[in-house]
Amino acid sequence: DTEVTQTPKHLVMGMTNKKSLKCEQHMGHRAMYWYKQKAKKPPELMFVYSYEKLSINESVPSRFSPECPNSSLLNLHLHALQPEDSALYLCASSYDTTEQFFGPGTRLTVL
Amino acid sequence: AQKITQTQPGMFVQEKEAVTLDCTYDTSDQSYGLFWYKQPSSGEMIFLIYQGSYDEQNATEGRYSLNFQKARKSANLVISASQLGDSAMYFCAMRARGGSNYKLTFGKGTLLTVNP
Repeated sequence: DTEVTQTPKHLVMGMTNKKSLKCEQHMGHRAMYWYKQKAKKPPELMFVYSYEKLSINESVPSRFSPECPNSSLLNLHLHALQPEDSALYLCASSYDTTEQFFGPGTRLTVL
Repeated sequence: AQKITQTQPGMFVQEKEAVTLDCTYDTSDQSYGLFWYKQPSSGEMIFLIYQGSYDEQNATEGRYSLNFQKARKSANLVISASQLGDSAMYFCAMRARGGSNYKLTFGKGTLLTVNP
């Protein structure tokens, strides 16, 4: 299995909702990442987990809460988001500090 | 600090022709890695090719090759025999090697359009 999967593919939520994004990989990678990407811009790093521990938090607002239940799973919990949080959310994984493999992304719309 | 510059916001190429996408970088690190990713309109970032700063030979992967000129700090992507499916956004990225450096620095991207 050489892919990163993400669910859901699309998500529409209100500003008072709570939702979660899910990411899974079975490549034995020890690092997992969340990125946010706006249209026509490069991805922006949000969080990095290394060996299931939070390694990097790029000063992301607390309305985004990451979780790494095990080495194969990565979640991003969303609460009280703003319309400007609408974006493509990409998950990635890597064996170590090597090339990162990305999932197909979740297109999030906040109303 | 690391910086990636992609000076071509958009490029057009005829099907079956070769195209070069430019990438220059700036870093004070001696050991680093350079990456190219392809992002079709569907959104997924697809890893294409990697070049390490100490690799003496240019990296190649099928129709993709990386023209690495260390002294000029450039890492251009060459796509041979372009196909319609190559139409996408292409990002150059770099990362310092070693330690626990997981952060990729991305360029702004080049939108490639392949014409039939």
